[in-house]
Amino acid sequence: AQSVAQPEDQVNVAEGNPLTVKCTYSVSGNPYLFWYVQYPNRGLQFLLKYITGDNLVKGSYGFEAEFNKSQTSFHLKKPSALVSDSALYFCAVRDTYSGAGSYQLTFGKGTKLSVIP
Amino acid sequence: DAGVIQSPRHEVTEMGQEVTLRCKPISGHNSLFWYRQTMMRGLELLIYFNNNVPIDDSGMPEDRFSAKMPNASFSTLKIQPSEPRDSAVYFCASSPRVQRKNEKLFFGSGTQLSVL
Repeated sequence: AQSVAQPEDQVNVAEGNPLTVKCTYSVSGNPYLFWYVQYPNRGLQFLLKYITGDNLVKGSYGFEAEFNKSQTSFHLKKPSALVSDSALYFCAVRDTYSGAGSYQLTFGKGTKLSVIP
Repeated sequence: DAGVIQSPRHEVTEMGQEVTLRCKPISGHNSLFWYRQTMMRGLELLIYFNNNVPIDDSGMPEDRFSAKMPNASFSTLKIQPSEPRDSAVYFCASSPRVQRKNEKLFFGSGTQLSVL
């Protein structure tokens, strides 16, 4: 079984400050990890992913995420927040032991990020 | 490319009516997914297709829900009969050939369904 948890329903940060959106996961095998962003009345957009290799993954719009296997975490970060970053952020996981042909992505409940001017 | 196209954007219907949601994936993508988003349950995978074949429909909540993909450029999600608890935003997403390097989903803008 695979699961993902986003412990914060909402994160508030001042513009220009660093931001962190937390995500922890649980899988049987090795994880594929993703972050997606959803703006109001829109579908989710891909931000970044971790498949293998370097634990620090860089993505779109200046976001990055760090894979930490010992803590089973994949927190999303950005050094300097913009008001335009305000949106709903989803962490997702897929277990590499999902089986041939399987593509079961499990999403977290989402974290609403508000960047205050 | 216009991206994943869903129609209608909004659907308001009465309980017991049939509802059909439509999706056109990105050309060349061979995997298609239907998700449902609600405040209570978040984002749930209902069903996904690979090369037009349903691979996993374990997320389909009841027999009232059915999905088809008659060709590579079109899919439908049908609810018959609809119930108020089906009210949600339904997303379609597509993905190119599932290999690690290009593994990601492209979402449509969703259909907001309200069943009265």
